Amino acid sequence: KAGVTQTPRYLIKTRGQQVTLSCSPISGHRSVSWYQQTPGQGLQFLFEYFSETQRNKGNFPGRFSGRQFSNSRSEMNVSTLELGDSALYLCASSLTGTVFNEQFFGPGTRLTVL
Amino acid sequence: AQTVTQSQPEMSVQEAETVTLSCTYDTSESDYYLFWYKQPPSRQMILVIRQEAYKQQNATENRFSVNFQKAAKSFSLKISDSQLGDAAMYFCAYRSALGGGSNYKLTFGKGTLLTVNP
Repeated sequence: KAGVTQTPRYLIKTRGQQVTLSCSPISGHRSVSWYQQTPGQGLQFLFEYFSETQRNKGNFPGRFSGRQFSNSRSEMNVSTLELGDSALYLCASSLTGTVFNEQFFGPGTRLTVL
Repeated sequence: AQTVTQSQPEMSVQEAETVTLSCTYDTSESDYYLFWYKQPPSRQMILVIRQEAYKQQNATENRFSVNFQKAAKSFSLKISDSQLGDAAMYFCAYRSALGGGSNYKLTFGKGTLLTVNP
């Protein structure tokens, strides 16, 4: 079974631009979570989607948004990019209804904002 | 809000030796899950081991085991017979069991960079 895939793997943008990142979960997984990883703040939860609905949201400004499609694929969007948005963005999918609902992570998208 | 603390930014171990990574957490909840994730350099994060808070028995996965002390809110990871492939950043993570299992948010510690010396 294919793992979680994220596209693109690398992205360079300039301040003020917007960006859209994509995540395809493992087949059958309906929950998709997004995390931001930076050297200073570590791993921080952005949001989680299940069946096209956002169930949980982390403490990020409204410039960060996401959505999930009927096939469970998810996108996250960051508008009006700032230098501090440079980070590795990780997507994780989960098969719901199990004891641990273990999250499987993708390779991430490395975003650099210049 | 829950917090996870990993007090060792870096650790090193000789190949074939044993190393223990520390993790403490703060929560007012009684039911939750704890995880250790491994993130090798430029590679995907993978789950190493997991523990349910209401299970007193410590989890083990081959060379990896945990020492879960619920009262002390401590969740350390022991790696036995360390191998070169164990070199990675290790993250301790917490997930609440509230919300009927609908809370998928993981709260991570800052990580411990493990170096394995040949």
